[in-house]
Amino acid sequence: AQSVTQLDSQVPVFEEAPVELRCNYSSSVSVYLFWYVQYPNQGLQLLLKYLSGSTLVKGINGFEAEFNKSQTSFHLRKPSVHISDTAEYFCAASNYGGSQGNLIFGKGTKLSVKP
Amino acid sequence: DAGITQSPRHKVTETGTPVTLRCHQTENHRYMYWYRQDPGHGLRLIHYSYGVKDTDKGEVSDGYSVSRSKTEDFLLTLESATSSQTSVYFCAISDSLSGNTIYFGEGSWLTVV
Repeated sequence: AQSVTQLDSQVPVFEEAPVELRCNYSSSVSVYLFWYVQYPNQGLQLLLKYLSGSTLVKGINGFEAEFNKSQTSFHLRKPSVHISDTAEYFCAASNYGGSQGNLIFGKGTKLSVKP
Repeated sequence: DAGITQSPRHKVTETGTPVTLRCHQTENHRYMYWYRQDPGHGLRLIHYSYGVKDTDKGEVSDGYSVSRSKTEDFLLTLESATSSQTSVYFCAISDSLSGNTIYFGEGSWLTVV
């Protein structure tokens, strides 16, 4: 069965420092991978997605992620974070050509950016 | 922002009462979803729809039913609410089952007392 694991539930970091939020997935078939961000009391907003092609994906707000098939990972990175990046981040996966509309989410990583 | 409206946004109800949450979209997307979000669990799919009157169960469908009589509306019903159904409920839409972006509504906070 497909699953998504976010390795850190909370990540504190100082402003202007780099950050990496880790995500691993398990699937016996090809997958599509996504990162979503959720600001307090709001819905989820897509940051970036990997469907195929280049393994380095660039998203909004300066975030990027790298798909690593051999390590089944899709880690999210930003070279310099801002206070406004404080939010919860969700990694998600769906099977390529899946017959169910089931986007599997990780349990989330809370990024806290301190001044 | 995707044109998704959830109502009500906040509701407190008593155990055993029926509750219906409504999702309305203006994007004419084929697929609509209901997720629940709970601390430590991320988002879990309750039910989804792939067209008018076409629905299917997700990971956590027990205690929930859905209906879709029009493309733009997807209703989630708790027939007899329980405290374990206290959660934040998100409606989402997409124009493909996989690969295409899923857009989320703002959420409905439900408290069952």
